[in-house]
Formats: sequence, structure tokens, C-alpha cells
Amino acid sequence: EAGVAQSPRYKIIEKRQSVAFWCNPISGHATLYWYQQILGQGPKLLIQFQNNGVVDDSQLPKDRFSAERLKGVDSTLKIQPAKLEDSAVYLCASSFSGLHNEQFFGPGTRLTVL
Amino acid sequence: AQSVAQPEDQVNVAEGNPLTVKCTYSVSGNPYLFWYVQYPNRGLQFLLKYITGDNLVKGSYGFEAEFNKSQTSFHLKKPSALVSDSALYFCAVRGEVSGTYKYIFGTGTRLKVLA
Repeated sequence: EAGVAQSPRYKIIEKRQSVAFWCNPISGHATLYWYQQILGQGPKLLIQFQNNGVVDDSQLPKDRFSAERLKGVDSTLKIQPAKLEDSAVYLCASSFSGLHNEQFFGPGTRLTVL
Repeated sequence: AQSVAQPEDQVNVAEGNPLTVKCTYSVSGNPYLFWYVQYPNRGLQFLLKYITGDNLVKGSYGFEAEFNKSQTSFHLKKPSALVSDSALYFCAVRGEVSGTYKYIFGTGTRLKVLA
């Protein structure tokens, strides 16, 4: 079974530039999550999709971050413009629907903002 | 407010000895509790979960966790540690916050198993 795919794996940009990350979840997983993991901290949920609808985006900085999952499969997370404090690993995860289901994580994208 | 606490930043244990990684939580209603492991340069991997039923949950790689409702704890355990268990471990809880089920991760505990 193929896992969660993410690209790119690494990205270095300068502040005020824009960047986009892509995620392809495990086939059949209706729920997709984007997390931000800053060094030394646990993952922080940015946004959760159920199919192509947003379930929770309460911690997404909407002035600069946006995400979409137009066809209910793959998803894109964008940052525009980036700030220094956005340097982190961005993790995508997916799961079957249901509160008790575990998440399957991709390898993450390490973003460095200079 | 919903929260997860992992009180130890790092746990050191000798190979072959039992290990415990601690986790306490605060959530309204019944919690769904999870443990994940993160190896260097790899994504998080699911280890085990507690949903309901038996308080002792068994998971991958010989790990188990004990749910204690009165102490609001969900400690991760393994009877005999291996050097290959050295990694970063995260406890997570899913509980209801303002009508929505939120997923919150702890800050992580780095486990170091010494040969």
C-alpha cells in the first residue's frame, strides 16, 4: 500500500516570497490533515479536510496561509507571503473517516525562510 | 481546555530494561488517545490507540500503553527496550472542543536507549 506522498521534501525561500506544498493521501482516506511542526515542538494542526470540505481551520493563519482539496483527493497548502517564523516541517496526514481512526503521515516538507 | 502533557523532554534507559514514557491529558468527555513515533528524517508512525474497553492496549514493535481514567494518564511502556527504539515519541488526544473533535499532540519525549 502506497503511503502519503508529499513534495517537495525541502524548500528554502526568502521572507515575503510565496511557497506551495503538495500532498497526496492514501487511497480511500476521506480525511486529510496539514500540520506545522516547529523544531522542538509537537505537530500543530493547521487544517483538516473531510473529502473536499474544511472541518477545522481554527489554527490556520488565514492572512497568509491557504489550503485546498478541490477534488477530495490531493491537497495543496500555500504560504504567501512567508515570514521567518514559518520555518518548520509541514506534515500531511490522512485517515479513514471516524474519530477513532489513526493518522498516516507523509515524510514532511522542511521549509526554511531566510 | 483540551491539552496533552508529556512531562519529560528525554528519557534514557539501558537496553534490555523496561521503559516508560509518560503522558497525561485533559479533555471533556471520553478521550481517544494515541501514541506516535518519529524516527530521524521520517514522518510520524502510529504505534497504538485507546478508544474504549481494556485499559491495557497493545501496539506495534512490542509497545503497550495503560489508560488510567482517574489519573488521566496514558503512559507508553515496553518490557525490554532495544537500541532501535531510540526515537521521538508523541502522545495525542482527540476530544470535543466547542462541538468539534480536536486532535492535539504533546510536545514529544525523546527516548534514548543505551547499549
